[in-house]
Amino acid sequence: DAKTTQPPSMDCAEGRAANLPCNHSTISGNEYVYWYRQIHSQGPQYIIHGLKNNETNEMASLIITEDRKSSTLILPHATLRDTAVYYCIVSRGTYKYIFGTGTRLKVLA
Amino acid sequence: NAGVTQTPKFQVLKTGQSMTLQCAQDMNHEYMSWYRQDPGMGLRLIHYSVGAGITDQGEVPNGYNVSRSTTEDFPLRLLSAAPSQTSVYFCASQDRSSGNTIYFGEGSWLTVV
Repeated sequence: DAKTTQPPSMDCAEGRAANLPCNHSTISGNEYVYWYRQIHSQGPQYIIHGLKNNETNEMASLIITEDRKSSTLILPHATLRDTAVYYCIVSRGTYKYIFGTGTRLKVLA
Repeated sequence: NAGVTQTPKFQVLKTGQSMTLQCAQDMNHEYMSWYRQDPGMGLRLIHYSVGAGITDQGEVPNGYNVSRSTTEDFPLRLLSAAPSQTSVYFCASQDRSSGNTIYFGEGSWLTVV
């Protein structure tokens, strides 16, 4: 499975959109982009995933570039409860997920 | 709606002791796995199972054993605990019908002294 690169930390003002980038330049055609987050030391929580097209659900939007080498997770109106570590994972959808160290997002009041 | 249940939540072991971390899921998922997370680091895959009776090694399998006798249960055994195994352990199950979404348990905090 392809590796990903994320900034180690980001800040975002409460109520503003949080845009979390992820580079996955070695992604292959059958690999999905997944996003999870981990609040404090709880078990990671699924957010969203996509293959080629942009995706949106009740939690977030996922924007994947046309060449699929990078993506952005968008939290449209960040709240203090969104403070967490966000993991971008690229996988063929099998059991082998490589989590990396993620981006620590801090939402500021 | 239990999801993935791990026990115990906290455990202190002495070096050389053995123990089993229990994991159960009630979602009828075929895939289950165990991860460990050390301070400031991401999750690393220890062992995984693609179905009852089938297990395989992940990134960091040494010192751990697993078995999968039923779809619901996937216990992780520490054979002879070492201080290097002090970590937070997460069990997970995977829903192949919804893009292989992973559901994690709440974690088991293990300290080996």
